[in-house]
Amino acid sequence: KQEVTQIPAALSVPEGENLVLNCSFTDSAIYNLQWFRQDPGKGLTSLLLIQSSQREQTSGRLNASLDKSSGRSTLYIAASQPGDSATYLCAVSGAGNMLTFGGGTRLMVKP
Amino acid sequence: NAGVTQTPKFRILKIGQSMTLQCTQDMNHNYMYWYRQDPGMGLKLIYYSVGAGITDKGEVPNGYNVSRSTTEDFPLRLELAAPSQTSVYFCASRAYTDTQYFGPGTRLTVL
Repeated sequence: KQEVTQIPAALSVPEGENLVLNCSFTDSAIYNLQWFRQDPGKGLTSLLLIQSSQREQTSGRLNASLDKSSGRSTLYIAASQPGDSATYLCAVSGAGNMLTFGGGTRLMVKP
Repeated sequence: NAGVTQTPKFRILKIGQSMTLQCTQDMNHNYMYWYRQDPGMGLKLIYYSVGAGITDKGEVPNGYNVSRSTTEDFPLRLELAAPSQTSVYFCASRAYTDTQYFGPGTRLTVL
């Protein structure tokens, strides 16, 4: 059974810092890995999707990497801003595109 | 496009009551999903559908039922509500690409 772990569970940084969020998964037989953002009381917004054959994806200040063989992914956020404060969820896709989610990292960026 | 809509936003049920959580998408997506999210946790898949008339169980289906009579709608039914079903419920949909689009969620409390 696939298990996804995110470390740290919570993170607080001053504005302007670069930061890294970590995601690990136990079964390397995945189709893709996605990073989502969740704001309090809201649904999930897809940030980046990395196919199993890819090593990284970039969108603006966000860069996600994937090392499938070691079961790891990182989400790098450059020059963090208060508006980046949210919970970030990692999810891996197995058969039938069914997603298995990690518990999330709650990020607080202080002005 | 409204995307994925869910009703109601909030609901309080008594133990043993039943209710239906509504989910509608206007993107003509074949695939639809129901997840639940417990406090501080990631999302877990309850049921999913790959098209009208086709549904299947996810990781935590006990206590729930679904139907998919149209492409647009994917209601989730709770027959005998239990306190363990207190959670936030998210509906999602996708086309043949991998990105899932999420609704805003329904916060359910069973007392």
